[in-house]
Amino acid sequence: DTGVSQDPRHKITKRGQNVTFRCDPISEHNRLYWYRQTLGQGPEFLTYFQNEAQLEKSRLLSDRFSAERPKGSFSTLEIQRTEQGDSAMYLCASSFRSDTQYFGPGTRLTVL
Amino acid sequence: GDSVTQMEGPVTLSEEAFLTINCTYTATGYPSLFWYVQYPGEGLQLLLKATKADDKGSNKGFEATYRKETTSFHLEKGSVQVSDSAVYFCALSDLVDSSYKLIFGSGTRLLVRP
Repeated sequence: DTGVSQDPRHKITKRGQNVTFRCDPISEHNRLYWYRQTLGQGPEFLTYFQNEAQLEKSRLLSDRFSAERPKGSFSTLEIQRTEQGDSAMYLCASSFRSDTQYFGPGTRLTVL
Repeated sequence: GDSVTQMEGPVTLSEEAFLTINCTYTATGYPSLFWYVQYPGEGLQLLLKATKADDKGSNKGFEATYRKETTSFHLEKGSVQVSDSAVYFCALSDLVDSSYKLIFGSGTRLLVRP
């Protein structure tokens, strides 16, 4: 059990560029979650997958955001046409069914 | 909707002092309650959890009791160490929500001085 991993750990981009983050969950965890955390706040739910199916998306997930989990393994979160307001820590978590969620180290995005 | 309210920080204590971080919640269903800890530059680590009323979660000297009558889940530790300095998040997962997504409080920063 190697834990949840995320790549990259840090990303600096210019406004208007596209970025993609990757999350590798704990093996055999069928649920995968994405959260966003801004400075001084708690994480906020963005979306979740059960196996390869994306079952819920938050209103925070605008049309510029898209997430995938092909084959029910790793997941990617893409942000198109980034804006300064997208600057945040993006956290991934995984769980087995309804059990405890385990978090990765996060990807810190800075949009200049 | 469901929500979690935590006491604002920062909380500054001397080593070996007693710690209490207050957390209250509102939920439409039957929540499980959690405390997560975040060290600088890192993701969240589960500290403890409780899944039903009157359950006590405990780990590394930290404790919290699920109080349904007061909708609270306060975090306590009898003697804090400098290494406990971090941000602590209270969270709930409502079992009536099939996603089991976590709803977090805004976090409480703890600073322990030698």
